[in-house]
Amino acid sequence: QSALTQPPSASGSLGQSVTISCTGTSSDVGTYKYVSWYQQHPGKAPKLIIYEVSKRPSGVPDRISGSKSGNTASLTVSGLQAEDEADYYCNAYTGSNNEMFGGGTKLTVL
Amino acid sequence: EVQLVESGGGLVQPGGSLRLSCAASGFNFSMYWMTWVRQAPGKGLDWVANIVQDGSQKHYVDSVRGRFTISRDNAKNSLWLQMDSLRAEDTAVYYCVRHSGWAFDIWGQGTMVTVSS
Repeated sequence: QSALTQPPSASGSLGQSVTISCTGTSSDVGTYKYVSWYQQHPGKAPKLIIYEVSKRPSGVPDRISGSKSGNTASLTVSGLQAEDEADYYCNAYTGSNNEMFGGGTKLTVL
Repeated sequence: EVQLVESGGGLVQPGGSLRLSCAASGFNFSMYWMTWVRQAPGKGLDWVANIVQDGSQKHYVDSVRGRFTISRDNAKNSLWLQMDSLRAEDTAVYYCVRHSGWAFDIWGQGTMVTVSS
């Protein structure tokens, strides 16, 4: 079972928007609403920032959003700030009580 | 405060065993699926295993099935991962994670496992 496909890197200038994709298959991302996103700063544990494709946990700013089209989920970070520089991982339910992470995307804020 | 604290990591030789522990506090542990996720040095996140609320169902990634065993004790608010026949490729930080609606909403700080001779 291959990992979900994410671009290894992404970048954007302060104040701009950036979108990170997460491509799966019709058996996971394309079928279920259970796609989540995690932010990880160096040396820290990951933090949940999006669940069920587009829902934000309490405390996550609304400039962070998620969506899905077909077999691809997307994370958009608007109004980029320096603290958004981190690694981002998607995760999707794959059926049979299993799940899978994407390979991760390193976001650089220019 | 909702918290997960892992312990038990360390250096072990290939073929050896290690038991990781996770102490939960600040929430009703018995109501949640729990999961172990690992991250090899400089690499991405990998789901390892999960366990349902009453421990009756357990699921493993193919690479650890038959070698690792996940378990829990709701009376002790504790989760464990017994790791046997360890390989170099099992070297990673292991995170104890609370599972809520197919999302990982609470993470521990992680414990490092190094498999090397």
